[in-house]
Amino acid sequence: GQQLNQSPQSMFIQEGEDVSMNCTSSSIFNTWLWYKQDPGEGPVLLIALYKAGELTSNGRLTAQFGITRKDSFLNISASIPSDVGIYFCAGRGIGSDDMRFGAGTRLTVKP
Amino acid sequence: EPEVTQTPSHQVTQMGQEVILRCVPISNHLYFYWYRQILGQKVEFLVSFYNNEISEKSEIFDDQFSVERPDGSNFTLKIRSTKLEDSAMYFCASSLQGYSNQPQHFGDGTRLSIL
Repeated sequence: GQQLNQSPQSMFIQEGEDVSMNCTSSSIFNTWLWYKQDPGEGPVLLIALYKAGELTSNGRLTAQFGITRKDSFLNISASIPSDVGIYFCAGRGIGSDDMRFGAGTRLTVKP
Repeated sequence: EPEVTQTPSHQVTQMGQEVILRCVPISNHLYFYWYRQILGQKVEFLVSFYNNEISEKSEIFDDQFSVERPDGSNFTLKIRSTKLEDSAMYFCASSLQGYSNQPQHFGDGTRLSIL
């Protein structure tokens, strides 16, 4: 089956620092999505990517759909305390409803 | 902004009992999904549903599970004869279109605790 590897597992950074996390897949995905999950809540969509090479921003967040269609990264610039949470990548294969999630990156931002 | 709502937020059930988790997807969405997240682990796909039938399901979604859209607004997940390992957060999601065309929007989940 399709396997997603997300890294790093966790990050501890100072407020104001930039953050980068990525996901790689064993197979091609048609869609890459990035979600953030706060404790006790459901995943909230941050960015959706639909084309290889696509680079999309949402405020301080930037994500890219890798050219090979097997990877994606998410960057957060100038982190703030409310960025704390778990960030998940998710991908969907061609013609599939099955969305696979990465294991998540737990982000801690120290003021 | 429209959102997916799930009830109850927490369900405690004795092992062997049946449980029904409820979801109200975003009103104009056509595709509905259930996911499971065991504590500390990744979100796992269970099933997708469109046009009143299952369109795709994972290996987790065995005969113990069933889904239904009993009316025009609700989407339910039934778990029969619950087991301890069914304890998890269950998330409902919906999208305007299926496959890769539209992102899925998630509810806040139902925490299911099996005793």
